[in-house]
Formats: sequence, structure tokens, C-alpha cells
Amino acid sequence: DTGVSQDPRHKITKRGQNVTFRCDPISEHNRLYWYRQTLGQGPEFLTYFQNEAQLEKSRLLSDRFSAERPKGSFSTLEIQRTEQGDSAMYLCASSLDGGFFSDTQYFGPGTRLTVL
Amino acid sequence: GQQLNQSPQSMFIQEGEDVSMNCTSSSIFNTWLWYKQEPGEGPVLLIALYKAGELTSNGRLTAQFGITRKDSFLNISASIPSDVGIYFCAGLYDKVIFGPGTSLSVIP
Repeated sequence: DTGVSQDPRHKITKRGQNVTFRCDPISEHNRLYWYRQTLGQGPEFLTYFQNEAQLEKSRLLSDRFSAERPKGSFSTLEIQRTEQGDSAMYLCASSLDGGFFSDTQYFGPGTRLTVL
Repeated sequence: GQQLNQSPQSMFIQEGEDVSMNCTSSSIFNTWLWYKQEPGEGPVLLIALYKAGELTSNGRLTAQFGITRKDSFLNISASIPSDVGIYFCAGLYDKVIFGPGTSLSVIP
């Protein structure tokens, strides 16, 4: 399977704990995105990387959230001191930088986070 | 900020019927994308539109990029049960903005 993969698929944690999610993009894609999706809503942009550089962060990404893409390949999203409001599906997407008009993103299956 | 509206919010149709849904915005976009999402999965790209006025088909799906660059529609012909899911439009300008989705249910 050469699509975007995410691990784990599901995570249940207690409030206050730290969690880390991993995303492996499509191998030749140089852009990687993180989104959050709550029930009944479309995905909301969190942050994105061009190779290893984090180029943009949404105001949704509080100080408790940090994302890395150390070698320009896989990425991790860490949430510290989780809160119940962090419960959501966290989606990763990747794209090949084809220029301004062709940023077609392909999504992974997501990580469903439940904070108790 | 930029926001997308999708209509209808949900649809219940008989198998074999055609479906039409649209996406509008007060902002201009350079690219329109249509995704389908099934429960517990990530969105899957259906159609990408890159040019105002462009009409693109993918099997039974047809989508158009509005002339004003502020809207797009998606049609599904001869619906089948596996078309069930949530359909999201997404517009790209400097980043991708997703609509709230149209939930499609197909009654066999």
C-alpha cells in the first residue's frame, strides 16, 4: 500500500496525559499536512510542512500541540496535557508540490483520539 | 475568514436516482476539490478542478468549477448503495478550506 498511513488508528487517554501520533506520507510527496476533524464538520487545518520545514500553523494549534517532520519524511503530532476538547479525529495528508494551483492532498485514515 | 457552505446538508435518495450537491463561498478559490469520507476513514479525493469553468468526470461523478470561482457542484448519476458517505468540497487559495459536508444516504 503506497498511500498515507497513520498510527495508531485509535487512542484513548486520560485527561492530562501526553499523546503522540505518527504519519507516513506518500513517499515522493514533499508536503505534509495535519488536520483535526470533529463530528459533523469538515477537516480543519492545523499545520503543514514543506520537506522538514514547518511553514504554517493555525491558531487552532495551541502551545500544547507540537508537530515535527525531522527528516522530511514521516511526521509526528504531539499533544501535551490532553483535554477533553482535544477529542477528535486527527488526519494527515500529503501532496506533491506542483505549484500554487495543484496542491492536491491525499489523506490518511486518521487517528481517532478520545480523552476521558 | 474564508468559509464554504455546502447544500444540501443531507440527502436521502432511492438507488438509481441522480444526485446533485453544491458548494459556495464568498471568497475566490484557485482549485476546487471534492472528497468522500466514510465512517472511521479519512477523506478520499474524488475530483480535482483547477480552472474556472472546468467540467470533469470520474465515472459516474461529474464536477464543475464555477465561472465566478466562488462555487462548484458535484453530480452523481445512477446512485448505488456504496455511494453512501459524506461528501466534502474543499477550496484552495493559500490553504485548503473544507466545507461542512453533505451526508448522502442511498435507499436500496
